[in-house]
Amino acid sequence: KAGVTQTPRYLIKTRGQQVTLSCSPISGHRSVSWYQQTPGQGLQFLFEYFSETQRNKGNFPGRFSGRQFSNSRSEMNVSTLELGDSALYLCASSLGSPQETQYFGPGTRLLVL
Amino acid sequence: QKEVEQDPGPLSVPEGAIVSLNCTYSNSAFQYFMWYRQYSRKGPELLMYTYSSGNKEDGRFTAQVDKSSKYISLFIRDSQPSDSATYLCAQNNQGGKLIFGQGTELSVKP
Repeated sequence: KAGVTQTPRYLIKTRGQQVTLSCSPISGHRSVSWYQQTPGQGLQFLFEYFSETQRNKGNFPGRFSGRQFSNSRSEMNVSTLELGDSALYLCASSLGSPQETQYFGPGTRLLVL
Repeated sequence: QKEVEQDPGPLSVPEGAIVSLNCTYSNSAFQYFMWYRQYSRKGPELLMYTYSSGNKEDGRFTAQVDKSSKYISLFIRDSQPSDSATYLCAQNNQGGKLIFGQGTELSVKP
């Protein structure tokens, strides 16, 4: 079974631009969670989608948004990019029950100049 | 205080050593505990998953949860250079939201 895939793998943007990242979960998984990883803050939860609905949200500003499609694929969008948004963005998928294991993709490395 | 505390290291050990990695957590409601391993420039991969207290063993890896002291540990026996990575403890108490420790960077020297 194929793992979680994320596109693009690397991205360079400038301040003020917006960016859209994509995540394809493991086949059959209905939950997709997004995380931001930085050297200073570590791995922080952004939001989780299940059956096209946002089920959980972390403490990030409204510039960070996401959505999930009927095939469980998910996108996250960051508008008005700031230098501090430079990070590795990871998505993880699971079957969707609270105790289910989350499996991570390779991440998208975003650099904001 | 962070919900999950983990010593970031770095930790350097010789090949064959027993490695002990530890985390403490503050929320007694946590029920599910995980250890992930992350190689440089890769996504985290699940190593161990435990529910509530007790030990779980998988090959050279043993995960231990002590809910009375809010302490979780990962032991690696006969450590190998290929074990060099960052190890992240995580708790799942709210559906799709994992709360991670800072991660401990481990280096196993041949």
